[in-house]
Amino acid sequence: KAGVTQTPRYLIKTRGQQVTLSCSPISGHRSVSWYQQTPGQGLQFLFEYFSETQRNKGNFPGRFSGRQFSNSRSEMNVSTLELGDSALYLCASSLDGQLGNTIYFGEGSWLTVV
Amino acid sequence: AQSVAQPEDQVNVAEGNPLTVKCTYSVSGNPYLFWYVQYPNRGLQFLLKYITGDNLVKGSYGFEAEFNKSQTSFHLKKPSALVSDSALYFCAVRDISDSGGYQKVTFGTGTKLQVIP
Repeated sequence: KAGVTQTPRYLIKTRGQQVTLSCSPISGHRSVSWYQQTPGQGLQFLFEYFSETQRNKGNFPGRFSGRQFSNSRSEMNVSTLELGDSALYLCASSLDGQLGNTIYFGEGSWLTVV
Repeated sequence: AQSVAQPEDQVNVAEGNPLTVKCTYSVSGNPYLFWYVQYPNRGLQFLLKYITGDNLVKGSYGFEAEFNKSQTSFHLKKPSALVSDSALYFCAVRDISDSGGYQKVTFGTGTKLQVIP
């Protein structure tokens, strides 16, 4: 069974640009969540989607947005990129987001903003 | 509010010795606890979880974790460390968010495990 797939793995963007990251969850998983990982801030929760609806959101500015499609695939978008947005962005999926579900992570998308 | 603490930034252990990576938590309800491992330039890999039942949970790669409700701890252990266990380890807790209704996941700050040959 394929794991969580994230694309692209690596990308470099210029300050002020926007970026879209893609995530395909494990087959049958309906909950997709996104995290930002940086050396200084650690792992921070961005948002969670279930059945195309955002049902939980972390403390990030509105420049960070996401969506989920009917096939559970998800995208996140960051507009007006800042240098501080350079990070590893991790997507994770779980069966239905219930407390006991295991969350499985993808390999991440490394974003560098220059 | 829920929280997770990993008091050690780094743990060094000699190969073949037992290892312990510490985690304490705070939740308002029943704790759902997880351990993940991250190798350099990789995503997080699931090791094990505690939902309910036995306080000793066995997971992948020979790891286990001991749930202690009175001490609100969930320490990760392995009887004999391997050099290949060297990685970053994260403890996580899931609970209902403060706003109510939906689950929230909180990760610890991570502990770097260094196994010395």
